Amino acid sequence: AQSVAQPEDQVNVAEGNPLTVKCTYSVSGNPYLFWYVQYPNRGLQFLLKYITGDNLVKGSYGFEAEFNKSQTSFHLKKPSALVSDSALYFCAVSPPMDSSYKLIFGSGTRLLVRP
Amino acid sequence: DVKVTQSSRYLVKRTGEKVFLECVQDMDHENMFWYRQDPGLGLRLIYFSYDVKMKEKGDIPEGYSVSREKKERFSLILESASTNQTSMYLCASSPLRGGLGEQYFGPGTRLTVT
Repeated sequence: AQSVAQPEDQVNVAEGNPLTVKCTYSVSGNPYLFWYVQYPNRGLQFLLKYITGDNLVKGSYGFEAEFNKSQTSFHLKKPSALVSDSALYFCAVSPPMDSSYKLIFGSGTRLLVRP
Repeated sequence: DVKVTQSSRYLVKRTGEKVFLECVQDMDHENMFWYRQDPGLGLRLIYFSYDVKMKEKGDIPEGYSVSREKKERFSLILESASTNQTSMYLCASSPLRGGLGEQYFGPGTRLTVT
């Protein structure tokens, strides 16, 4: 079965430190990969996506993600965390050859950046 | 900017009531989706539609139905609301070809069934 795993329910980091939010997937072929962020009482906002090409993808708000095909991972990173980055982060995959572009979401990771 | 709007931010209904959740998008997108979001479970797909009057079941369609009479509007219907349908409901849309899967989300409707 196709799935996405976010192994950490919560990640805590001090402001100014680098952050990583982990994501691994189990999908055959070459899926499209996404990160979304949800601020309190808001819908999901698109952060970045990987389709093909360079394994390091840059997105909104200074976030980037690294695609690793051998480890089937797509970890979200930021060199220097801000308190305003505190939110719920979702990794998602779109299986290849799925013309409807459905997304399979992970369970979400809450990022807490302390001042 | 793409805008996806949902009819209510908060809704309280009683067990057994028929509930309608409305979603409207203004970007002429072909695909529309309904998800429910529960803590620790992420987003689960209830139904999606890739064209007017077309619909397909997602992962958890039981207890729900949908209607898409116009391209911009996608409605989620709870035929007889139950307490286990208390959740956050998110609507999303995406173009059929462009964007390669990127979906645009509404603000969500937090439904409480008592």
